[in-house]
Amino acid sequence: DTEVTQTPKHLVMGMTNKKSLKCEQHMGHRAMYWYKQKAKKPPELMFVYSYEKLSINESVPSRFSPECPNSSLLNLHLHALQPEDSALYLCASSQGWGGKDTEAFFGQGTRLTVV
Amino acid sequence: QKEVEQNSGPLSVPEGAIASLNCTYSDRGSQSFFWYRQYSGKSPELIMSIYSNGDKEDGRFTAQLNKASQYVSLLIRDSQPSDSATYLCAVSGSARQLTFGSGTQLTVLP
Repeated sequence: DTEVTQTPKHLVMGMTNKKSLKCEQHMGHRAMYWYKQKAKKPPELMFVYSYEKLSINESVPSRFSPECPNSSLLNLHLHALQPEDSALYLCASSQGWGGKDTEAFFGQGTRLTVV
Repeated sequence: QKEVEQNSGPLSVPEGAIASLNCTYSDRGSQSFFWYRQYSGKSPELIMSIYSNGDKEDGRFTAQLNKASQYVSLLIRDSQPSDSATYLCAVSGSARQLTFGSGTQLTVLP
């Protein structure tokens, strides 16, 4: 079962709101990722968690705050976003690194609109 | 120079033809190579992985890797309209993260 579940599927939020995106996987994967994708662009890496520890933060603004409560869950807390943050936010997971372990599986994404 | 480059699209092929998608990468330490398919408004779906030089076939899909030339390709045989999507090449290198190419939009004409 290669399934990564993201909620919500769609989110509209004002610039003063606080909201959270959630991601869950039950494949026993040890690496989880947040990507941001704008229209007609490739996914852009935001954060990597490895064994529940933040291992990569690609200079993402502090209005995005990741959290990994356990090995199956990944959250992205949003606060004081700007309209240009509107995008598809993708969660992915992989077994780890090296060869087949690097295969990453994506959730269906959260379409975020900031108004 | 971009780390992962794909041939610029869009690419159109007639139904039943072979679609050829190409990708080059700059990190010689790259070890793992992937092709993702992304339908409009959907998330990327992993369709092929390749780790060693040569060809790997899975149904109508063949991935080809040449590490000396730093080149990876995807062939889609007997293309179907349902193959119309954006194809993303992704490479995992020494930075321990996936780097995506900009994608090639493929349209299969009935």
